[in-house]
Amino acid sequence: QLQLQESGPGLVKPSETLSLTCTVSGGSISSRSYYWGWIRQPPGKGLEWIGSIYYSGITFYNPSLKSRVAISVDMSKNQFSLKVSSETAADTAVYYCARQPRGGDPYYFDFWGQGALVTVSS
Amino acid sequence: DIVMTQSPDSLAVSLGERATINCKSSQSVLYSSNNKNYLAWYQQKPGQPPKLLIYWASTRESGVPDRFSGSGSGTDFTLTISSLQAEDVAVYYCQHYFSASVTFGPGTKVGIK
Repeated sequence: QLQLQESGPGLVKPSETLSLTCTVSGGSISSRSYYWGWIRQPPGKGLEWIGSIYYSGITFYNPSLKSRVAISVDMSKNQFSLKVSSETAADTAVYYCARQPRGGDPYYFDFWGQGALVTVSS
Repeated sequence: DIVMTQSPDSLAVSLGERATINCKSSQSVLYSSNNKNYLAWYQQKPGQPPKLLIYWASTRESGVPDRFSGSGSGTDFTLTISSLQAEDVAVYYCQHYFSASVTFGPGTKVGIK
């Protein structure tokens, strides 16, 4: 049974860098069939795709966040990670990791983690 | 980037009645070489992550009740709940994956009348 679990600090100070990790269990992050993505949801608002990564390191980022975001993969730990720099209160959100089937480019999100709330505040 | 819009923002339907949600993309998400629409639908209940309902515009994910159906092509799509149940109260999102830079619609909240 595939499971994705987000982990990381729940509180980040303004201007600092948010770091989250998604641990994949019940499946291999090095599968050639999937990308692995990050999506966020500010409280009471809609979903925003942040970016996606393939096990080989190929990444796609939301153009509106690209300058502040980095996604990486650690196959030895079956994990992928997100860093968002220069945090502001507008980055306060529930951050989800999810799996994306691919056929070339990444597609929809078929398995999701439970989400991790990150609050940006001093 | 492709912009996704949804209508209505919210709707209330009596139990057992039909609920219809519309999604529109700013450009076609139909890929002519394989005749597939790169469009998915999700359901999100309070405090839970989104759940995939439909992909390729009309293919139901495994385990999704058949009262949920997706239709449409090109730029205009519809998610229909044929007979609303109490457990269907949720926010529903559409998402395109026509390019690697995917985007979601703003969501439609479905409640009970």
